[in-house]
Amino acid sequence: DGGITQSPKYLFRKEGQNVTLSCEQNLNHDAMYWYRQDPGQGLRLIYYSQIVNDFQKGDIAEGYSVSREKKESFPLTVTSAQKNPTAFYLCASSIYGTPVDFGEGSWLTVV
Amino acid sequence: RKEVEQDPGPFNVPEGATVAFNCTYSNSASQSFFWYRQDCRKEPKLLMSVYSSGNEDGRFTAQLNRASQYISLLIRDSKLSDSATYLCVVTGGTSYGKLTFGQGTILTVHP
Repeated sequence: DGGITQSPKYLFRKEGQNVTLSCEQNLNHDAMYWYRQDPGQGLRLIYYSQIVNDFQKGDIAEGYSVSREKKESFPLTVTSAQKNPTAFYLCASSIYGTPVDFGEGSWLTVV
Repeated sequence: RKEVEQDPGPFNVPEGATVAFNCTYSNSASQSFFWYRQDCRKEPKLLMSVYSSGNEDGRFTAQLNRASQYISLLIRDSKLSDSATYLCVVTGGTSYGKLTFGQGTILTVHP
């Protein structure tokens, strides 16, 4: 089945650690996105990518990094510079002008 | 001013009620508009696109007013299963495919 796969679903990070969240899609979508959602809040854009080897910062990119080496993959690294990383992270993909499909999300908790 | 603003809610309505959500957007160049539904601790899922002429899908009706930069969602004959957070989403404008989400409106339908 076509879709977006995020992993892991739950992740615990120690202070000072970098962690990477995986996002893979087999929908042949050009655009991919990472959003962060805090409790009771809407989604905020971290990074997005329109094509392979190109990506742009969203509204809250500080403390995060991404890569887009393959069309299907758009991993997100939460670095130690991100001071408040505990949140629900959502990966999404789309073709321009069409609605976005989301993965099931990853819950990151700092311990 | 936020790019996309929604009624803060929460809305608590009895089964069978009609409820309306409003959303305003600030970028007049925005091109596509959607309503997403998000259940607790789940990813958002597309509820419906919003067209200039207005569109209906069963009990749900969406309206767009470009002159006033205003989007609405009307739910008739509310069901318990309609309880969720409803997100207004705007895309297009100056950034290719970039989606901007409202903060969401919580709806609780009670017996």
